Amino acid sequence: GESVGLHLPTLSVQEGDNSIINCAYSNSASDYFIWYKQESGKGPQFIIDIRSNMDKRQGQRVTVLLNKTVKHLSLQIAATQPGDSAVYFCAEIHSGGGADGLTFGKGTHLIIQP
Amino acid sequence: NAGVTQTPKFQVLKTGQSMTLQCAQDMNHEYMSWYRQDPGMGLRLIHYSVGAGITDQGEVPNGYNVSRSTTEDFPLRLLSAAPSQTSVYFCASRRMTMARSSYEQYFGPGTRLTVT
Repeated sequence: GESVGLHLPTLSVQEGDNSIINCAYSNSASDYFIWYKQESGKGPQFIIDIRSNMDKRQGQRVTVLLNKTVKHLSLQIAATQPGDSAVYFCAEIHSGGGADGLTFGKGTHLIIQP
Repeated sequence: NAGVTQTPKFQVLKTGQSMTLQCAQDMNHEYMSWYRQDPGMGLRLIHYSVGAGITDQGEVPNGYNVSRSTTEDFPLRLLSAAPSQTSVYFCASRRMTMARSSYEQYFGPGTRLTVT
Protein backbone atom coordinates (compact mmCIF):
# COMPACT_ATOMS: atom_id res chain seq x y z
CA GLY A 1 0.00 0.00 0.00
CA GLU A 2 0.92 3.66 -0.03
CA SER A 3 3.53 4.95 2.35
CA VAL A 4 2.82 7.42 5.09
CA GLY A 5 6.42 7.60 6.29
CA LEU A 6 9.83 8.35 4.85
CA HIS A 7 10.36 4.89 3.36
CA LEU A 8 8.39 3.51 0.49
CA PRO A 9 6.75 0.14 0.99
CA THR A 10 8.43 -2.52 -1.09
CA LEU A 11 6.94 -5.43 -2.98
CA SER A 12 9.35 -8.13 -4.08
CA VAL A 13 8.15 -10.70 -6.63
CA GLN A 14 9.72 -13.43 -8.71
CA GLU A 15 10.10 -12.83 -12.41
CA GLY A 16 7.13 -14.36 -14.19
CA ASP A 17 4.78 -14.08 -11.21
CA ASN A 18 1.86 -11.67 -11.02
CA SER A 19 2.22 -8.48 -8.96
CA ILE A 20 -0.52 -6.64 -7.11
CA ILE A 21 0.14 -3.11 -5.92
CA ASN A 22 -2.40 -1.44 -3.69
CA CYS A 23 -3.47 2.13 -3.10
CA ALA A 24 -5.92 3.55 -0.58
CA TYR A 25 -7.35 6.85 -1.69
CA SER A 26 -8.72 9.53 0.53
CA ASN A 27 -11.67 11.24 -1.03
CA SER A 28 -14.96 9.52 -1.78
CA ALA A 29 -15.70 12.31 -4.28
CA SER A 30 -12.73 11.33 -6.46
CA ASP A 31 -14.01 10.40 -9.88
CA TYR A 32 -10.89 9.49 -11.81
CA PHE A 33 -7.78 7.53 -10.95
CA ILE A 34 -4.43 7.05 -12.63
CA TRP A 35 -1.51 4.69 -12.09
CA TYR A 36 2.01 5.90 -12.85
CA LYS A 37 5.29 4.03 -13.15
CA GLN A 38 8.53 5.78 -12.25
CA GLU A 39 11.82 4.14 -13.09
CA SER A 40 14.96 5.19 -11.29
CA GLY A 41 16.19 8.59 -12.46
CA LYS A 42 13.21 9.17 -14.75
CA GLY A 43 9.94 11.03 -14.70
CA PRO A 44 6.62 9.32 -13.97
CA GLN A 45 5.01 7.51 -16.88
CA PHE A 46 1.26 7.04 -17.34
CA ILE A 47 0.23 3.37 -17.22
CA ILE A 48 -3.52 3.16 -17.02
CA ASP A 49 -6.51 5.09 -15.77
CA ILE A 50 -10.03 4.31 -14.59
CA ARG A 51 -13.17 6.33 -14.05
CA SER A 52 -15.21 5.99 -10.89
CA ASN A 53 -18.16 4.52 -12.82
CA MET A 54 -16.04 1.45 -13.60
CA ASP A 55 -14.67 -1.22 -11.30
CA LYS A 56 -12.15 -2.79 -13.65
CA ARG A 57 -10.08 -1.79 -16.63
CA GLN A 58 -7.51 -3.82 -18.52
CA GLY A 59 -4.51 -2.82 -20.54
CA GLN A 60 -1.56 -4.70 -21.88
CA ARG A 61 -0.45 -6.97 -19.00
CA VAL A 62 -1.98 -4.55 -16.49
CA THR A 63 -5.38 -4.45 -14.82
CA VAL A 64 -6.69 -1.79 -12.49
CA LEU A 65 -9.41 -2.63 -9.99
CA LEU A 66 -11.44 -0.03 -8.17
CA ASN A 67 -13.43 -0.67 -4.99
CA LYS A 68 -15.27 2.52 -4.14
CA THR A 69 -16.89 1.01 -1.06
CA VAL A 70 -13.55 0.81 0.74
CA LYS A 71 -11.80 3.48 -1.35
CA HIS A 72 -9.21 1.06 -2.64
CA LEU A 73 -7.41 0.87 -5.95
CA SER A 74 -5.10 -1.89 -7.12
CA LEU A 75 -2.78 -2.42 -10.05
CA GLN A 76 -2.19 -5.96 -11.20
CA ILE A 77 0.78 -6.71 -13.44
CA ALA A 78 0.74 -10.09 -15.14
CA ALA A 79 3.89 -12.14 -15.76
CA THR A 80 6.20 -9.61 -14.17
CA GLN A 81 9.36 -8.83 -16.11
CA PRO A 82 12.67 -7.21 -15.03
CA GLY A 83 11.62 -4.03 -16.82
CA ASP A 84 8.69 -3.71 -14.44
CA SER A 85 11.05 -2.78 -11.59
CA ALA A 86 10.05 0.74 -10.60
CA VAL A 87 8.10 2.82 -8.13
CA TYR A 88 4.37 2.72 -8.82
CA PHE A 89 1.99 5.34 -7.49
CA CYS A 90 -1.62 6.18 -7.88
CA ALA A 91 -3.24 9.56 -8.34
CA GLU A 92 -6.83 10.56 -7.69
CA ILE A 93 -8.77 13.44 -9.12
CA HIS A 94 -11.59 15.29 -7.44
CA SER A 95 -12.75 18.85 -7.59
CA GLY A 96 -11.23 19.76 -4.22
CA GLY A 97 -7.94 17.96 -4.70
CA GLY A 98 -5.29 20.59 -5.10
CA ALA A 99 -5.10 23.39 -7.61
CA ASP A 100 -5.35 21.06 -10.58
CA GLY A 101 -7.43 18.39 -8.90
CA LEU A 102 -4.67 15.78 -8.81
CA THR A 103 -3.53 14.18 -5.54
CA PHE A 104 -0.64 11.75 -5.78
CA GLY A 105 0.09 8.83 -3.49
CA LYS A 106 3.59 8.22 -2.20
CA GLY A 107 4.36 5.05 -4.11
CA THR A 108 5.32 1.39 -3.80
CA HIS A 109 8.70 0.10 -4.90
CA LEU A 110 8.34 -3.06 -7.00
CA ILE A 111 11.45 -5.25 -7.06
CA ILE A 112 11.69 -8.17 -9.47
CA GLN A 113 13.72 -11.15 -8.28
CA PRO A 114 15.35 -13.26 -11.04
CA ASN B 1 8.47 14.39 -30.86
CA ALA B 2 10.92 14.99 -28.03
CA GLY B 3 8.03 15.15 -25.53
CA VAL B 4 8.83 17.11 -22.38
CA THR B 5 12.44 18.19 -21.94
CA GLN B 6 14.06 19.67 -18.88
CA THR B 7 17.44 21.28 -18.28
CA PRO B 8 19.65 21.00 -16.39
CA LYS B 9 19.55 17.38 -15.17
CA PHE B 10 21.55 18.21 -12.05
CA GLN B 11 22.28 21.47 -10.25
CA VAL B 12 23.99 22.47 -7.02
CA LEU B 13 23.29 25.91 -5.61
CA LYS B 14 24.44 27.81 -2.58
CA THR B 15 21.84 29.28 -0.26
CA GLY B 16 20.65 32.61 -1.61
CA GLN B 17 21.54 31.97 -5.23
CA SER B 18 18.89 32.18 -7.93
CA MET B 19 18.43 30.06 -10.99
CA THR B 20 15.93 29.02 -13.64
CA LEU B 21 14.89 25.46 -14.41
CA GLN B 22 13.92 25.11 -18.04
CA CYS B 23 11.00 23.09 -19.38
CA ALA B 24 9.81 22.73 -22.94
CA GLN B 25 7.28 20.53 -24.73
CA ASP B 26 6.66 20.03 -28.44
CA MET B 27 3.19 18.43 -28.25
CA ASN B 28 1.26 21.72 -28.38
CA HIS B 29 -0.19 21.01 -24.95
CA GLU B 30 -2.05 23.86 -23.34
CA TYR B 31 -1.52 22.71 -19.76
CA MET B 32 1.92 22.68 -18.14
CA SER B 33 2.89 22.26 -14.53
CA TRP B 34 5.82 21.97 -12.14
CA TYR B 35 6.03 19.43 -9.33
CA ARG B 36 8.59 18.68 -6.69
CA GLN B 37 9.23 15.17 -5.42
CA ASP B 38 10.74 14.57 -2.02
CA PRO B 39 11.59 11.21 -0.38
CA GLY B 40 8.57 9.53 1.15
CA MET B 41 6.18 12.10 -0.27
CA GLY B 42 4.06 12.20 -3.35
CA LEU B 43 4.46 14.72 -6.11
CA ARG B 44 3.45 18.20 -4.96
CA LEU B 45 2.27 20.86 -7.36
CA ILE B 46 4.26 24.11 -7.34
CA HIS B 47 2.74 26.16 -10.19
CA TYR B 48 0.73 25.43 -13.27
CA SER B 49 -0.41 27.11 -16.46
CA VAL B 50 -3.48 26.51 -18.61
CA GLY B 51 -2.09 28.43 -21.58
CA ALA B 52 0.32 31.13 -22.71
CA GLY B 53 0.09 34.18 -20.48
CA ILE B 54 -1.81 32.36 -17.71
CA THR B 55 -0.21 30.94 -14.58
CA ASP B 56 -1.50 29.97 -11.18
CA GLN B 57 -0.23 28.72 -7.85
CA GLY B 58 -0.25 25.13 -6.79
CA GLU B 59 0.14 23.53 -3.39
CA VAL B 60 3.69 24.72 -2.58
CA PRO B 61 4.37 27.94 -4.56
CA ASN B 62 6.46 29.89 -2.04
CA GLY B 63 9.98 30.65 -3.22
CA TYR B 64 9.20 29.94 -6.88
CA ASN B 65 8.08 32.03 -9.83
CA VAL B 66 6.87 30.96 -13.26
CA SER B 67 5.97 32.59 -16.54
CA ARG B 68 4.42 31.26 -19.74
CA SER B 69 5.22 33.49 -22.68
CA THR B 70 4.83 30.70 -25.24
CA THR B 71 2.87 27.44 -25.44
CA GLU B 72 6.11 25.47 -25.56
CA ASP B 73 8.09 26.84 -22.60
CA PHE B 74 7.38 27.00 -18.89
CA PRO B 75 10.47 27.99 -16.86
CA LEU B 76 10.57 27.75 -13.08
CA ARG B 77 12.61 30.36 -11.21
CA LEU B 78 14.05 29.97 -7.76
CA LEU B 79 14.38 33.48 -6.42
CA SER B 80 16.70 32.86 -3.45
CA ALA B 81 17.53 29.20 -3.01
CA ALA B 82 17.10 27.59 0.40
CA PRO B 83 18.13 24.10 1.61
CA SER B 84 14.41 23.25 1.90
CA GLN B 85 14.23 23.50 -1.88
CA THR B 86 16.57 20.54 -2.30
CA SER B 87 14.40 18.18 -4.30
CA VAL B 88 13.77 16.61 -7.67
CA TYR B 89 11.69 18.85 -9.91
CA PHE B 90 9.43 17.53 -12.65
CA CYS B 91 7.72 19.44 -15.39
CA ALA B 92 4.60 17.95 -16.97
CA SER B 93 2.23 18.78 -19.78
CA ARG B 94 -1.13 17.57 -21.07
CA ARG B 95 -3.97 18.59 -23.31
CA MET B 96 -6.46 20.94 -21.75
CA THR B 97 -9.96 19.62 -22.19
CA MET B 98 -12.88 19.09 -19.89
CA ALA B 99 -12.69 15.35 -20.39
CA ARG B 100 -11.20 13.48 -17.49
CA SER B 101 -9.28 11.37 -19.97
CA SER B 102 -7.12 14.40 -20.73
CA TYR B 103 -5.34 13.88 -17.42
CA GLU B 104 -2.80 11.65 -19.17
CA GLN B 105 0.16 13.83 -18.29
CA TYR B 106 3.58 13.58 -19.85
CA PHE B 107 6.46 14.18 -17.47
CA GLY B 108 9.97 15.36 -18.18
CA PRO B 109 13.03 13.47 -16.92
CA GLY B 110 13.47 15.74 -13.90
CA THR B 111 16.05 18.13 -12.48
CA ARG B 112 17.83 17.06 -9.31
CA LEU B 113 18.57 20.20 -7.30
CA THR B 114 20.74 20.40 -4.20
CA VAL B 115 20.96 23.59 -2.17
CA THR B 116 23.85 23.78 0.30
